[in-house]
Amino acid sequence: QVQLVQSGAEVAKPGASVKVSCKASGYTFNGYIIHWVRQGPVHGLEWMGWVNPDSGAINYAPKFQDRVTMTRDTSMTTAHMELSGLRSDDTAVYYCTREDGHNGRFDYWGQGSLVTVSS
Amino acid sequence: QSALTQPASVSGSPGQSITISCTGSSNDVGGYNSVSWYQQHPGKAPKLMIYEVSNRPSGVSNRFSGSKSGNTASLTISGLQAEDEADYFCSSYTFNSWLFGGGTKLTVL
Repeated sequence: QVQLVQSGAEVAKPGASVKVSCKASGYTFNGYIIHWVRQGPVHGLEWMGWVNPDSGAINYAPKFQDRVTMTRDTSMTTAHMELSGLRSDDTAVYYCTREDGHNGRFDYWGQGSLVTVSS
Repeated sequence: QSALTQPASVSGSPGQSITISCTGSSNDVGGYNSVSWYQQHPGKAPKLMIYEVSNRPSGVSNRFSGSKSGNTASLTISGLQAEDEADYFCSSYTFNSWLFGGGTKLTVL
């Protein structure tokens, strides 16, 4: 069965970086784009961007363009999202999700990774 | 880009029907048939309930239906059940990115 299993919770200091992983299984990893979405108390659900596991192509939301890096490791069927320059309002649950097709059909989601930014 | 607008809360009794609206603009909801709806229970990841405005994924009850008129999309849940109590979010494609609604808390009375 399709599964997206994310890395565990992280606590980071303001200005630091955090990297969240998303291990995919149960399907052809290269066949589906992986999106990253976060959910925080201030901004609710926010789309951050996507990575194409097949080509490595990326597309970032303008808000995160300068601070986010999305990569993938096809040998490990894992996608990564790194966010730098952390601020307190980056405290949120970060989700990876698979897009089936090209019309925003986010059909499987990871369990979420809580990132807490605190000094 | 602003988030899509949803009512903060709706409620209904078991067996009744409710509708949740999702209002955007001609640049997102009104311009594309890429509206999806997600159900989220506390502490859980979102679950896809409707995609491409009105399509249900396999396994989702036919009590859930979606529609769109102009810049507003709607999710209707008929025959409300206790297990439907959750948060519901809409999403839409816009200009090479995606928007989400602020979420609606559904309470089953």
